[in-house]
Amino acid sequence: DAGVIQSPRHEVTEMGQEVTLRCKPISGHDYLFWYRQTMMRGLELLIYFNNNVPIDDSGMPEDRFSAKMPNASFSTLKIQPSEPRDSAVYFCASSAGTGFFGEQFFGPGTRLTVL
Amino acid sequence: GNSVTQMEGPVTLSEEAFLTINCTYTATGYPSLFWYVQYPGEGLQLLLKATKADDKGSNKGFEATYRKETTSFHLEKGSVQVSDSAVYFCALSAYTGNQFYFGTGTSLTVIP
Repeated sequence: DAGVIQSPRHEVTEMGQEVTLRCKPISGHDYLFWYRQTMMRGLELLIYFNNNVPIDDSGMPEDRFSAKMPNASFSTLKIQPSEPRDSAVYFCASSAGTGFFGEQFFGPGTRLTVL
Repeated sequence: GNSVTQMEGPVTLSEEAFLTINCTYTATGYPSLFWYVQYPGEGLQLLLKATKADDKGSNKGFEATYRKETTSFHLEKGSVQVSDSAVYFCALSAYTGNQFYFGTGTSLTVIP
């Protein structure tokens, strides 16, 4: 298996632009997580899905952030409009059956820079 | 609430030195505890885990024991290698609130 795939790996955009980050989880995994990593705040859970349904989005910082999972093999995290404070590395992770209590498999991350 | 407190880094050790990275937690109920490792430019990988008190997780020479009495899950390795240079994250999974919490991470550099 190719593991969790994220695209793009790097994104540089200007303030006010829309940004879409993409994730393909490992086939057969029914949980998908989006995390954000910054120097100041460390790793934060933004939202997670179970069987394509959003379960908890309490970590999404504000309404500018939205996430979707239209099918079991694809998820997006969208920021509209983007701001410089959104600059971070965004990770997607997936797991099978056990949610938080088993192993989460992380993608390589998308490094987002908002100018 | 639930939280993880992790030893601050960075930590620099010589090859073959003994490693301890401290981690303590606060949780209601009986959480599961994890150590994840992040190598430069990569995503996190599970290193080891423990699901109940007195469990010992181990992998690649690393060990951590779930100590309920001290609410700790310290990571240890008897002899580190240069290839162990990475950032190590302690993490907690709690049934209450159904959430996952990472510590702030400890950067380890092993020099030859």
